[in-house]
Amino acid sequence: QQPVQSPQAVILREGEDAVINCSSSKALYSVHWYRQKHGEAPVFLMILLKGGEQKGHDKISASFNEKKQQSSLYLTASQLSYSGTYFCGTEGSGYALNFGKGTSLLVTP
Amino acid sequence: DAGVTQSPTHLIKTRGQHVTLRCSPISGHKSVSWYQQVLGQGPQFIFQYYEKEERGRGNFPDRFSARQFPNYSSELNVNALLLGDSALYLCASSSGLSYNEQFFGPGTRLTVL
Repeated sequence: QQPVQSPQAVILREGEDAVINCSSSKALYSVHWYRQKHGEAPVFLMILLKGGEQKGHDKISASFNEKKQQSSLYLTASQLSYSGTYFCGTEGSGYALNFGKGTSLLVTP
Repeated sequence: DAGVTQSPTHLIKTRGQHVTLRCSPISGHKSVSWYQQVLGQGPQFIFQYYEKEERGRGNFPDRFSARQFPNYSSELNVNALLLGDSALYLCASSSGLSYNEQFFGPGTRLTVL
């Protein structure tokens, strides 16, 4: 079951914050976040496990609410290098990742 | 350390032909997953192999097949190519344990004419 991401696209100025949401209709064991730049492969950002833990990587952090079957990615003080398409991948039963359609993020000077 | 490698990087085929894509995982990783990504969409799961056994299969027709070799490298085969098979094919490497991050290779861009 494909997770639903929102918003579909967002434009920021450098230094602004953004939140990207990912929700699933099925129970989740984990949520994986990736960033993909045009013409490149997705790059792993972080993985969140059951338990509602929050993780951070530099100024990018994420939360996972397993009861609501939702995850959010927080980008703080965005940099030009944050531009790209962000995908959440959800892991249900089994080990395959189901990816959302992505959120396109553009950070402008 | 070498990352995930895939070959070829680009491929052009005509309808009805067969194609073989190859992937070498990160050293020490025992699992390989294959994904298809069409323009503007997220990657779609095709297969996952762990220790040479198929562990999962996505909603793809039987024209798609794969295998994993003793050195953990993998091949994805697609028979009777259709125009709709044109996509970026991504291979992801992981340790194979649950909740483990998957690392993607650069992909193979397949164009079917």
